[in-house]
Amino acid sequence: EAGVAQSPRYKIIEKRQSVAFWCNPISGHATLYWYQQILGQGPKLLIQFQNNGVVDDSQLPKDRFSAERLKGVDSTLKIQPAKLEDSAVYLCASRLASPGANVLTFGAGSRLTVL
Amino acid sequence: DAKTTQPNSMESNEEEPVHLPCNHSTISGTDYIHWYRQLPSQGPEYVIHGLTSNVNNRMASLAIAEDRKSSTLILHRATLRDAAVYYCILTSGTYKYIFGTGTRLKVLA
Repeated sequence: EAGVAQSPRYKIIEKRQSVAFWCNPISGHATLYWYQQILGQGPKLLIQFQNNGVVDDSQLPKDRFSAERLKGVDSTLKIQPAKLEDSAVYLCASRLASPGANVLTFGAGSRLTVL
Repeated sequence: DAKTTQPNSMESNEEEPVHLPCNHSTISGTDYIHWYRQLPSQGPEYVIHGLTSNVNNRMASLAIAEDRKSSTLILHRATLRDAAVYYCILTSGTYKYIFGTGTRLKVLA
């Protein structure tokens, strides 16, 4: 099966600019996650979707970050305006939403550098 | 969310077994124990998971203490390709995966 697709792989912007990341999960995976991974740290969960509904966004900085999954398939994460501390890898993951389906599959990530 | 504690780093010689510990003293009865690993410049990948009984798969074994307050990931013969950060995670019915800082495993040739 095809994996989790993410784009772009790399993005360099200046602070106060905006950026968007796209994720296409594995076909049929109803649960989608966005993580932020700062260099040297573990991935931090930003938002969890079940189909097109938000399950958890408690760690999403909502003043500048937004995410949507309008048709319950692919998803977009936006940062506006970006700050220096947003430099990180943004990871998307998906999971088959059935009881006992415990495997998260991650994409390769989108590396953001904010100058 | 129940918390896990892992050593920051461990070393192993190539072709020897590796035992990676994880403490989770506040685990609840319905929490699953998961292990993921992250190779350099890649996203995390699934290794193994379990609830109460020990589990084996082609990658590793998971040994779960009888009181479930700790677990150990066992790599039977470490190779250089196993050098990675290993994360121990607990999840419940919400399937919310919270990663800690993990254990960085160094494999020596």
